[in-house]
Amino acid sequence: ETGVTQTPRHLVMGMTNKKSLKCEQHLGHNAMYWYKQSAKKPLELMFVYSLEERVENNSVPSRFSPECPNSSHLFLHLHTLQPEDSALYLCASSQDGEGADTQYFGPGTRLTVL
Amino acid sequence: AQTVTQSQPEMSVQEAETVTLSCTYDTSESDYYLFWYKQPPSRQMILVIRQEAYKQQNATENRFSVNFQKAAKSFSLKISDSQLGDAAMYFCAYRQTYNNNDMRFGAGTRLTVKP
Repeated sequence: ETGVTQTPRHLVMGMTNKKSLKCEQHLGHNAMYWYKQSAKKPLELMFVYSLEERVENNSVPSRFSPECPNSSHLFLHLHTLQPEDSALYLCASSQDGEGADTQYFGPGTRLTVL
Repeated sequence: AQTVTQSQPEMSVQEAETVTLSCTYDTSESDYYLFWYKQPPSRQMILVIRQEAYKQQNATENRFSVNFQKAAKSFSLKISDSQLGDAAMYFCAYRQTYNNNDMRFGAGTRLTVKP
């Protein structure tokens, strides 16, 4: 499972901390995504980058800040989070413009906010 | 807005038997894609099968097949000859053909396979 990697796999942070999640895709794709997965809820799309430009921001609080320095890397910078932000954060990538445009997911980062 | 509904939070099946997971969706679009993803415990989400709405023929991938009823907006997944490794969360997802940045997921169905 080396197509999309995420680090760290687990993260515990206090509400005043600043941390970053990293995602890297090795599939040559041109679009990357951040999702939030909470228990018993549908995956929530947070951010979309296509050709390194942000194209979607689904009203995510400003305490989440994405960064996409190139087509292979995606970051999610976290600061002053709330306990309700505890969730599994999934990164995905896809190749825009190729039919069904299947998204390939990373293993996720399990985030706990104390 | 497009929504995806999975009405079965949990399902169980006996090993070697067949199980069907339900999914309905709401859309006013005529062109779109539908997906089933599998997320094993503590493992990566992977694509199981996908269906283009313009195709009438149901997609099939080995033991996995779908029953796509466009008029009813239904997209169920059938798993034949269930194996222990099929135990996972299964997510149904929808995406418009011309908006590849907006994938909608259902809440998931947890499938247990009994030996």
